[in-house]
Amino acid sequence: DSGVTQTPKHLITATGQRVTLRCSPRSGDLSVYWYQQSLDQGLQFLIQYYNGEERAKGNILERFSAQQFPDLHSELNLSSLELGDSALYFCASSVTQNTEAFFGQGTRLTVV
Amino acid sequence: KNEVEQSPQNLTAQEGEFITINCSYSVGISALHWLQQHPGGGIVSLFMLSSGKKKHGRLIATINIQEKHSSLHITASHPRDSAVYICAVRGMDSNYQLIWGAGTKLIIKP
Repeated sequence: DSGVTQTPKHLITATGQRVTLRCSPRSGDLSVYWYQQSLDQGLQFLIQYYNGEERAKGNILERFSAQQFPDLHSELNLSSLELGDSALYFCASSVTQNTEAFFGQGTRLTVV
Repeated sequence: KNEVEQSPQNLTAQEGEFITINCSYSVGISALHWLQQHPGGGIVSLFMLSSGKKKHGRLIATINIQEKHSSLHITASHPRDSAVYICAVRGMDSNYQLIWGAGTKLIIKP
């Protein structure tokens, strides 16, 4: 158990819908990262937060947004879902930006 | 050319064999990570290295900063080691984002 909790584990939804994925980082970790892994693809960095502030953006679509709350948990919002958004979404956390990152188990999103 | 290259892409071996997975990178880094992704999808952080060598159980990771190369070794391999092993580097100029290798798919046959 990495200490990073992601909910839900599985999510099936229809095209055009909006979903929210949640991540609780390890206790004491200030930095949260979101990654997308499509079928048989590598991990794509989406966005990073540090202590509530956005620090880096990767290949995140405009339909996607995220935030980190004062209690340091983070949410990734995906809207106007398309079939191609079906993927594993991972959250990782670390104490600072340059320390070891620990991964949650991922949320498997299926858009039908 | 990708900034992080792993070899081999796929590796099948017999139980008990010594396994080596290589990672070469072309950017300046502050740290290198080895991660394991199980068939079910979960990702586990194995090592974070900035120099030298680390060992955890049957796993050994080494890094040569001058040669920009790292290796992950598995001794006495077991079918439960079957997974995708991913090398990722934390670049110095990329706001500490991880730059990912494509992964090495390892299958250990009993």
